[in-house]
Amino acid sequence: GQNIDQPTEMTATEGAIVQINCTYQTSGFNGLFWYQQHAGEAPTFLSYNVLDGLEEKGRFSSFLSRSKGYSYLLLKELQMKDSASYLCAVMDSNYQLIWGAGTKLIIKP
Amino acid sequence: TAGITQAPTSQILAAGRSMTLRCTQDMRHNAMYWYRQDLGLGLRLIHYSNTAGTTGKGEVPDGYSVSRANTDDFPLTLASAVPSQTSVYFCASSDWDNTGELFFGEGSRLTVL
Repeated sequence: GQNIDQPTEMTATEGAIVQINCTYQTSGFNGLFWYQQHAGEAPTFLSYNVLDGLEEKGRFSSFLSRSKGYSYLLLKELQMKDSASYLCAVMDSNYQLIWGAGTKLIIKP
Repeated sequence: TAGITQAPTSQILAAGRSMTLRCTQDMRHNAMYWYRQDLGLGLRLIHYSNTAGTTGKGEVPDGYSVSRANTDDFPLTLASAVPSQTSVYFCASSDWDNTGELFFGEGSRLTVL
């Protein structure tokens, strides 16, 4: 079966750095997405990786290793507004998205 | 810019009743999707449409139906609601000529009693 694993919850301190990991087993691979979802709101797109390596976008970076079935989202200079759930999703060979359950990130002052 | 609009925002429904969740996008995206989101689970695809006039079944289609008469609208119908359909429903669209990222509506919280 297809599976996306990510930690349920993480806690970090304002101003620090946090890395949220995602491992996947899917039928084929056509890219990996990270979305941010604040409580009670819709998910919003953060990043897309289809080739191995690091994609940097401001305070957020996303890394992919296809051979290891592994990705991480790196958040730097954490702000209170970064408190949210972070969803990892993989596009399989049928171009359907398989979603992880999300990682709830709690930022403490 | 409206983007993608869902209605209603929330609804309480008696079991056995029918309900249609509306979804409209103004971005001229080809593909549209309906997901449900339940605590502790990832987003699960109910139905999708790759282009106007076509629809397909997702991971959890039972008890739901959709139509795609035009590019902009993608309503989701529950013919006879059951309590297990209590969930938050998200409509989304994507433009596969671009990045393929999904744009989500604000969600519809449905409670079936």
